[in-house]
Amino acid sequence: DSGVTQTPKHLITATGQRVTLRCSPRSGDLSVYWYQQSLDQGLQFLIQYYNGEERAKGNILERFSAQQFPDLHSELNLSSLELGDSALYFCASSVGRHTDTQYFGPGTRLTVL
Amino acid sequence: QQQVKQSPQSLIVQKGGISIINCAYENTAFDYFPWYQQFPGKGPALLIAIRPDVSEKKEGRFTISFNKSAKQFSLHIMDSQPGDSATYFCAASRSGGADGLTFGKGTHLIIQP
Repeated sequence: DSGVTQTPKHLITATGQRVTLRCSPRSGDLSVYWYQQSLDQGLQFLIQYYNGEERAKGNILERFSAQQFPDLHSELNLSSLELGDSALYFCASSVGRHTDTQYFGPGTRLTVL
Repeated sequence: QQQVKQSPQSLIVQKGGISIINCAYENTAFDYFPWYQQFPGKGPALLIAIRPDVSEKKEGRFTISFNKSAKQFSLHIMDSQPGDSATYFCAASRSGGADGLTFGKGTHLIIQP
């Protein structure tokens, strides 16, 4: 158990809908990262937040957004969902603002029908 | 552009044998190279990591070998066990960078009893 929690475990929704994925980092970690894992693209970095502020952006679509709250939990919002958004979404956390030593949560499996 | 290339895609090793997975990177600014292990339905778990100031790091049965001039690094699993059967990902990042982890495509390892 990494200490990173994610909810929900599974999410099934329809095209065009909007969903919110939630992540709680390990105790003491200030950075939260979001990754998408799909069969064709592999594991891809989406976005990082550090202590409430956006720090880095990767291959995140404009339809996707995230935020980190004062209690350090983070939410990833996915809107206008398409079939191709079906994937595993992982949250990771680390102590500092840099990229090293990230601990991953169990993931949320999103299925868009 | 795939910045971290991982091979082989799949690997079958007999119990007690040595499993070897290779990765090559392109970005010379990368200076942190972790390996992650992922079981079905779980998030990636940090296995071992290395920085370019050393050529080898060993933790138990797991060893990373690093060749800075060739821009290559590899994971060796000694005395491979059926419980090691999983998908392994190499990754790379820049300390202080704002890019998240860049992952290889993964290696599906099967240890036959």
